[in-house]
Order: sequence, then structure tokens, then C-alpha cells
Amino acid sequence: GQNIDQPTEMTATEGAIVQINCTYQTSGFNGLFWYQQHAGEAPTFLSYNVLDGLEEKGRFSSFLSRSKGYSYLLLKELQMKDSASYLCAALDSNYQLIWGAGTKLIIKP
Amino acid sequence: ETGVTQTPRHLVMGMTNKKSLKCEQHLGHNAMYWYKQSAKKPLELMFVYNFKEQTENNSVPSRFSPECPNSSHLFLHLHTLQPEDSALYLCASSQERENSPLHFGNGTRLTVT
Repeated sequence: GQNIDQPTEMTATEGAIVQINCTYQTSGFNGLFWYQQHAGEAPTFLSYNVLDGLEEKGRFSSFLSRSKGYSYLLLKELQMKDSASYLCAALDSNYQLIWGAGTKLIIKP
Repeated sequence: ETGVTQTPRHLVMGMTNKKSLKCEQHLGHNAMYWYKQSAKKPLELMFVYNFKEQTENNSVPSRFSPECPNSSHLFLHLHTLQPEDSALYLCASSQERENSPLHFGNGTRLTVT
């Protein structure tokens, strides 16, 4: 079956760096998305990777290794507003999105 | 962001009620989606519409009935729901079906009593 694994919850300190991992098993692969969702709000698009490597967008970076079925989201210079859930989703060969259950990130002062 | 608007934000209904959720997108997108989000579970895709035509129905019970009158509006009609249907219902849109990112509304928090 198709599956996405990501940690349920992580805690980090304001100003630090945190890496949220995501592993996927899908029938074919057409890319991987990361979304951010604050409590009670809509998920918002952060990144899309389809080729191996690291893509940087300001304080956020996303990495993909297709051979390992692995991605991570790297958040630098953490701010309190980064407290949110981070959703990983992979596109299979039929362009169906397979979602993870999300990682709740708690930032402490 | 006001690109995708959902109403109402909260809804409490009894099992015998009939209600509708509304979604409107102002992004000029061609695809619209209904998702169910339950605590600590992955998003569950319910329905997909491409250019107003329903292209996917992921084995959703018939007590959920979607309607897409045009490419900007999407409804989810609810009747005789069960308590386990209590969840956050998210509407989303995208430019096209394939690898375009989804733009979500803030959702309707539904409680079935």
C-alpha cells in the first residue's frame, strides 16, 4: 500500500534549527509537497520538490532523495509563529496525493 | 488569504438535520476538492471536480452529496450524518489536477450530535 511517515510531534527552541523528516512509499512518484497549517486555519503551501536536492526559500528549505524515498523540511532561526503542523504529501504515478498525518511543531521560548 | 472562502466556519447539527457547506474560490482555478480532516489522521480526499465535472468520488457515503454549479463554487450537502462524521471539512482549489499546489479554505468545523 501507499504510505507516508512523519513524526507526530516535535519540540524546538526559538532561534534554533529543526528538521522534520518524511518518508514515503508510493506507486510511482511525481513530486512531494510540504504544507504548513496553524491551528484552526487552512493548510498553506510551502514547497514542492520533484528532483533530488535541496531547495531554499528564506528560512525554510526542503530536501528530496528519490532513491531513498525521503524528504525533510528544514526550518532555521525559529520564531514562535512557526508553531504549527507541517504536512507532507507525495504525488503518486496517477497524480493522487498521499498525505502524512502531519507533524505538530512546538516552539518554546 | 481570501482566495478560497468557506462558510460556515462552525456547524453543529443533529443526525436528522440537512445542511450544506459552501466553498468559493476567486483564484481562477479549474479544479476544486473536498477533504475531510480528523485529528491525527491524514487528509482524506472526498471529491474532486475538474471544470465542473466530478472526476473522483473516493467511496464516500451517500449522506455526503457534492454539487459544483460552476468552476468557482462548490457545495457539500449533508443529511442524516453520524457522530463519526464530526471533523474539519476543507475545500481546496488548484490550477490544474496534476502537480499544482492546493489552495485551501479555512474549513468548516462540523460537530454531529
